[in-house]
Amino acid sequence: KAGVTQTPRYLIKTRGQQVTLSCSPISGHRSVSWYQQTPGQGLQFLFEYFSETQRNKGNFPGRFSGRQFSNSRSEMNVSTLELGDSALYLCASSGGTIYEQYFGPGTRLTVT
Amino acid sequence: GENVEQHPSTLSVQEGDSAVIKCTYSDSASNYFPWYKQELGKGPQLIIDIRSNVGEKKDQRIAVTLNKTAKHFSLHITETQPEDSAVYFCAASRASGTYKYIFGTGTRLKVLA
Repeated sequence: KAGVTQTPRYLIKTRGQQVTLSCSPISGHRSVSWYQQTPGQGLQFLFEYFSETQRNKGNFPGRFSGRQFSNSRSEMNVSTLELGDSALYLCASSGGTIYEQYFGPGTRLTVT
Repeated sequence: GENVEQHPSTLSVQEGDSAVIKCTYSDSASNYFPWYKQELGKGPQLIIDIRSNVGEKKDQRIAVTLNKTAKHFSLHITETQPEDSAVYFCAASRASGTYKYIFGTGTRLKVLA
């Protein structure tokens, strides 16, 4: 089975721009969660989608948004980028009845 | 609020020795505790997990113990090898209707050959 894939792997954006990141979960998994990883704050939960509905949300500003499609693929969007948004953005997928989450390789976003 | 404390932040051991990483969680409703290993340039990889109805779980050289009363859980790696060098994260989750994980701050393990 293919693992979680994320595109692009690396991205450089300018302050004020917006960005869209994509995640394809493991086949058959319906839950997709997003995390932000920075050296200072560690791994922080952004939001979780299950069957196209946002099921949980972390403590991030409204500039961070996401969505999930009927094939379970998910995108997250960050608008009006700030320097502090530079981070590794990780996507994780889960099946319906298991507790485990499996992570993708991440998208490294650099905001200049 | 929900919090997971992880210690130590760095750990150096000689090859063949054991390594222990400890975590403490605050949310008493947490019932699922995974451990992840993250190598440079990669996403976290699930290496072992434990549920609240179990006190200990072992998988070859790695084991996890859970003390629900004290809200402590620990990762034990025996007979460490250079390839065990990585950053290890613990996490806690309620695992009920959501997959939100609260992660510890990570432990950088160095296994010296």
